[in-house]
Amino acid sequence: DIVMTQTPLSSPVTLGQPASISCRSSQSLVHSDGNTYLSWLQQRPGQPPRLLIYKISNRFSGVPDRFSGSGAGTDFTLKISRVEPEDVGVYYCMQATQFPHGTFGQGTKVEIK
Amino acid sequence: QLQLQESGPGLVKPSETLSLTCTVSGGSISSSNYYWGWIRQPPGKGLEWIGSIYYSGNTYYNSSLKSRVTISVDTSKNQFSLKLSSVTATDTAVYYCAAAFDIWGQGTMVTVSS
Repeated sequence: DIVMTQTPLSSPVTLGQPASISCRSSQSLVHSDGNTYLSWLQQRPGQPPRLLIYKISNRFSGVPDRFSGSGAGTDFTLKISRVEPEDVGVYYCMQATQFPHGTFGQGTKVEIK
Repeated sequence: QLQLQESGPGLVKPSETLSLTCTVSGGSISSSNYYWGWIRQPPGKGLEWIGSIYYSGNTYYNSSLKSRVTISVDTSKNQFSLKLSSVTATDTAVYYCAAAFDIWGQGTMVTVSS
């Protein structure tokens, strides 16, 4: 099974400043169809998870452009260009290259300093 | 706009079977664009994929739960369902249904307790 490892697990940030979360998979997430099914989810307190980014760098409908994803193979990054109060929550990377199987990272808690 | 809503008992006794239903609205569960899945989150912990199903009925389960899980689909009702047998306290969690991990339901809390 693919293991997803996120760092850091906690990220205190200052409002208006950038934040970055890393995610590493235990094996390449490149699918035989050439796509890499690495997604990022946001879970605000008391809310269900919400898809932010799919296939490494594609923003889902309605996601602000301050969120961006990058990476390839086994190493991926989510960046928030300027953290806003509504960005507080837990962020998960997940792989669906073995779809419909899915595997999630442990989650990274983003909080305001 | 596709929406999903979980329903089912909030309390299940140990050793019994947990049964939940996810109702899909705003689109057809027979759409080939999606597979339909269940994910759970124990209190204060992370997300765990339980299993997924295509509208054709093909199912895929997390190997750690496979012996206890059954997911089924009812295209006539635009619903899919989860059954988890022989539950214990460790199965206490918020259970989410999702469309291909893209669109999620609000979740339903299930507590296993006598």
